[in-house]
Amino acid sequence: NAGVTQTPKFQVLKTGQSMTLQCAQDMNHNSMYWYRQDPGMGLRLIYYSASEGTTDKGEVPNGYNVSRLNKREFSLRLESAAPSQTSVYFCASRDSSTEAFFGQGTRLTVV
Amino acid sequence: ELKVEQNPLFLSMQEGKNYTIYCNYSTTSDRLYWYRQDPGKSLESLFVLLSNGAVKQEGRLMASLDTKARLSTLHITAAVHDLSATYFCAVDMRVDHQFYFGTGTSLTVIP
Repeated sequence: NAGVTQTPKFQVLKTGQSMTLQCAQDMNHNSMYWYRQDPGMGLRLIYYSASEGTTDKGEVPNGYNVSRLNKREFSLRLESAAPSQTSVYFCASRDSSTEAFFGQGTRLTVV
Repeated sequence: ELKVEQNPLFLSMQEGKNYTIYCNYSTTSDRLYWYRQDPGKSLESLFVLLSNGAVKQEGRLMASLDTKARLSTLHITAAVHDLSATYFCAVDMRVDHQFYFGTGTSLTVIP
């Protein structure tokens, strides 16, 4: 059982480049989330999708866009990467009565 | 917006000692989760607390929830080195499907 799968695991971008982080879950969960984790800041919610077809901003949405492609997949796009977006990104999924299950993370460096 | 505060942020303790990590949150919720994160790894679910007075135990860790006080505790009994990790609490806001994390407690157990 794969759970939550994120790709890529590592990425280096130049300032101004764009990229999409992919996330897929095989647990038939309704809700999916994108977090970023920075030292000393805990996990901060970027965007979430409560169900297929809906997306909402979290605490730190600026500079990001998301797409809930179907029930399984939730992608995060950086249109014009900035050094401040250097971080570890986690995707998670859950249902209303469960805890969140996390992917392995994407380490992104913007130079 | 829900605020989730953990204390302490950093904890260094000797093997064999007991200690408690606290998680306070600002808005009514009856569902709280504890996670563990090892360096460079993803988050692993430890406990799911779904009602006032809930208590869960696993090995040397015990978690409890007091929804009236908006407080959860993670108690460590007779710490061992393997418990060294960062521990996060997370609160579930059913009304907006958001999943809010505390800032984390970095625990180091010293032999």
